[in-house]
Amino acid sequence: DSGVTQTPKHLITATGQRVTLRCSPRSGDLSVYWYQQSLDQGLQFLIQYYNGEERAKGNILERFSAQQFPDLHSELNLSSLELGDSALYFCASSFGSRGTEAFFGQGTRLTVV
Amino acid sequence: GQQVMQIPQYQHVQEGEDFTTYCNSSTTLSNIQWYKQRPGGHPVFLIQLVKSGEVKKQKRLTFQFGEAKKNSSLHITATQTTDVGTYFCAGRDNNDMRFGAGTRLTVKP
Repeated sequence: DSGVTQTPKHLITATGQRVTLRCSPRSGDLSVYWYQQSLDQGLQFLIQYYNGEERAKGNILERFSAQQFPDLHSELNLSSLELGDSALYFCASSFGSRGTEAFFGQGTRLTVV
Repeated sequence: GQQVMQIPQYQHVQEGEDFTTYCNSSTTLSNIQWYKQRPGGHPVFLIQLVKSGEVKKQKRLTFQFGEAKKNSSLHITATQTTDVGTYFCAGRDNNDMRFGAGTRLTVKP
C-alpha cells in the first residue's frame, strides 16, 4: 500500500459527460501529480500541484482541469469526454516539489462508451 | 519542454539473460528516478540518481546516470520471471517529473 488513495477505481461513462477523479496523497506529502496511461502506453504527465498551487503543466487538454484543496487532496475534472479519453489515470504524491520519490495510487480506470 | 526518450519499447528475454533499458533526456536533469510497474499494477519507485556519473546497485539491478546528466540506464543481470513488468525512467527538470515511455520486459522461463 503506497498510502495514496484514488477514487473511484473504475468509472464507465458516456461521451460528452463530465467526471471527477479524486486523489488523497500520502500523509505529509505536499505534491500531487496526475498522469494518464492509455492501454499499453507510457505515463503522460498532465499536471502537478504543490501545496495548493499549480507547479507544472504537461500535456493536459483544455477539457481537463485539476485543483488541489487546502487539505491537499486533489481532483481531476474531465469534461466533454471522448472515446479517446479512456485510460488509466494515476495520481502520485511526493513530499517535495522536486527531488523526492513519488508514490502512486492504484489508479482510476476510465472507460468512455 | 523537457522530453524523455526510453528504448527499447519492448524486450523479450530468456530467463537468465541480461536486460538493459536506456533513457535519454533532451535537457540536463536534476535527478532521474526509475520505477517498475508490474502487469495490472501501479508504478513503484526503485531508485533515484542525482550525481553525474553515479552508479547504484540493487542486487541484480545496476543503475547509471550519465556524466552529462542527460541519460541513464538500468541493467538487470540474469533475469528472473519476477522481473517481468514495465520499467520507467522519470527525469526531473525543475519542477515537473516526466516519464519515459517505458520498456516492457517479458521473461520466458
